[in-house]
Amino acid sequence: GQNIDQPTEMTATEGAIVQINCTYQTSGFNGLFWYQQHAGEAPTFLSYNVLDGLEEKGRFSSFLSRSKGYSYLLLKELQMKDSASYLCAVRDSNYQLIWGAGTKLIIKP
Amino acid sequence: DAMVIQNPRYQVTQFGKPVTLSCSQTLNHNVMYWYQQKSSQAPKLLFHYYDKDFNNEADTPDNFQSRRPNTSFCFLDIRSPGLGDAAMYLCATSRDREAAEQFFGPGTRLTVL
Repeated sequence: GQNIDQPTEMTATEGAIVQINCTYQTSGFNGLFWYQQHAGEAPTFLSYNVLDGLEEKGRFSSFLSRSKGYSYLLLKELQMKDSASYLCAVRDSNYQLIWGAGTKLIIKP
Repeated sequence: DAMVIQNPRYQVTQFGKPVTLSCSQTLNHNVMYWYQQKSSQAPKLLFHYYDKDFNNEADTPDNFQSRRPNTSFCFLDIRSPGLGDAAMYLCATSRDREAAEQFFGPGTRLTVL
């Protein structure tokens, strides 16, 4: 079967750094995505990794290791507005997105 | 601004009463998707259209149907909503199947009484 695993919930402090992990097992691999979703809103695209390594975009970075079936999203200089769910999704050999259930990130002052 | 629009944002229907959710896009993307998302769960793909080519997920109930009359519009019809169909319904588009990003509409939250 295909599955995406990520922690259900994490808590971090404003101004700190947090790493959200994602492991996956899918039929084929055509890229890994991270989306941010605020409560009651639609997901918004954060990052895309298709090759191994780190992709940096401002305060957010995403890392991929295809051999390990592993990715993480790194958020630096946390702000209160970063409180949201972070969804990991993998595109399989049929170009379909397989979604994780999301990690709810709670930021405390 | 180019975007994905969903109407209505909130829909209340009665058990068994048919309901239609709509999605439109100004991005001129070839692919349109319908997802169902329940609280604290992953989005679940119901259907997608690649241009006019309709693709139904194997586990999408027959109660759910979709129409794409033209490039810009896509509809989700729920023929006989049950209490278990209460969810957020998300429409998304992508330029093509290989495109890196899917663009989501704001979603329609469906309540079934």
